[in-house]
Amino acid sequence: ILNVEQSPQSLHVQEGDSTNFTCSFPSSNFYALHWYRWETAKSPEALFVMTLNGDEKKKGRISATLNTKEGYSYLYIKGSQPEDSATYLCASALNSGNTPLVFGKGTRLSVIA
Amino acid sequence: EADIYQTPRYLVIGTGKKITLECSQTMGHDKMYWYQQDPGMELHLIHYSYGVNSTEKGDLSSESTVSRIRTEHFPLTLESARPSHTSQYLCASSGYVSSGNTIYFGEGSWLTVV
Repeated sequence: ILNVEQSPQSLHVQEGDSTNFTCSFPSSNFYALHWYRWETAKSPEALFVMTLNGDEKKKGRISATLNTKEGYSYLYIKGSQPEDSATYLCASALNSGNTPLVFGKGTRLSVIA
Repeated sequence: EADIYQTPRYLVIGTGKKITLECSQTMGHDKMYWYQQDPGMELHLIHYSYGVNSTEKGDLSSESTVSRIRTEHFPLTLESARPSHTSQYLCASSGYVSSGNTIYFGEGSWLTVV
């Protein structure tokens, strides 16, 4: 069974602080790593899909990196804003993407104004 | 914005009742999924389908059943609801391998069994 771990489980930061969290996953048979943002009372929304070792993706103040050899990905938020408060989920896919994604438990971020 | 819809959004039902959670997507996606999430816990895959007349159980055992008679429709049924079925159920779909199998989620169905 694929095990996807995220840390920390929850995080409180002040508005304007930059922050980052980690997703670790088994590196064998790796296919893709996904990041999603899940705001309360909404559906999870895709942020990034990364497939190549060394990949770095950016969307506004949020960026992510991928290391497939050691099996981890970092998500960075620069200058956190209250609207960044959400649960950030990562998910990994194996085997050419023909098996369902497996999600981590998520990191719950609260940005205090 | 993703076009995937779930009904009902919120439901309170009595023990022993039969309930069907509806899920429809208008994106023409072949792959559809049902996830279950208890508060503070991770998303668990309970069922998935890779096309019409194809259904598979996920990594979390569930007493629910699913069907996939049409591409756009993937309903989940509980024949006899119990309090242990109280949870949030998320339906999702995904399209092409070239898009990295990005999953699009519905807004969820909150089920409470009393």
